[in-house]
Amino acid sequence: GQQVMQIPQYQHVQEGEDFTTYCNSSTTLSNIQWYKQRPGGHPVFLIQLVKSGEVKKQKRLTFQFGEAKKNSSLHITATQTTDVGTYFCVDLSNDYKLSFGAGTTVTVRA
Amino acid sequence: NAGVTQTPKFRILKIGQSMTLQCAQDMNHNYMYWYRQDPGMGLKLIYYSVGAGITDKGEVPNGYNVSRSTTEDFPLRLELAAPSQTSVYFCASDSGTGELFFGEGSRLTVL
Repeated sequence: GQQVMQIPQYQHVQEGEDFTTYCNSSTTLSNIQWYKQRPGGHPVFLIQLVKSGEVKKQKRLTFQFGEAKKNSSLHITATQTTDVGTYFCVDLSNDYKLSFGAGTTVTVRA
Repeated sequence: NAGVTQTPKFRILKIGQSMTLQCAQDMNHNYMYWYRQDPGMGLKLIYYSVGAGITDKGEVPNGYNVSRSTTEDFPLRLELAAPSQTSVYFCASDSGTGELFFGEGSRLTVL
């Protein structure tokens, strides 16, 4: 399947600050999904992006799909302690074989 | 709806023992998956199923077996457990939209 790289692998954020995590591919992506996994928990679906240039918002979270469908980003504003966890982007190009990379693990300094 | 239910939540096995991780979903989803997650890592697909009676290998199937006799159940069998199989195992289901619903995980330690 395609290799999707997620950067950074670790993000340490001061509470109240903004940050962005990126998902990059060398080839065109089909659809992309984002999941969040809290420490000790299971992944939970956040959103799916389908269209080139698509932007979707969920409260303080903004998800974007690149114009060339080769990258995606998740931007969180005014980070809170509830944002702690690992965020995964998942490429749906490979039909049923959904692959989760290492994700971006977010820690928050109060 | 209970969603995706996994049992047991925790298990310790001795090397060479066998066991079955149970997974059941009550959402009538056709697609079901087994993943393993090692500490600090992403999820690796072990096996998946697109419907009752159909299963296929994922990225890391060695040492595991599955069956899918009903839509609801997708058990994962570990034969001859090895320390390398110490991990957290997640079962997930999907109605066909691509959105995965995960169980709470089964934490397995092989000593």
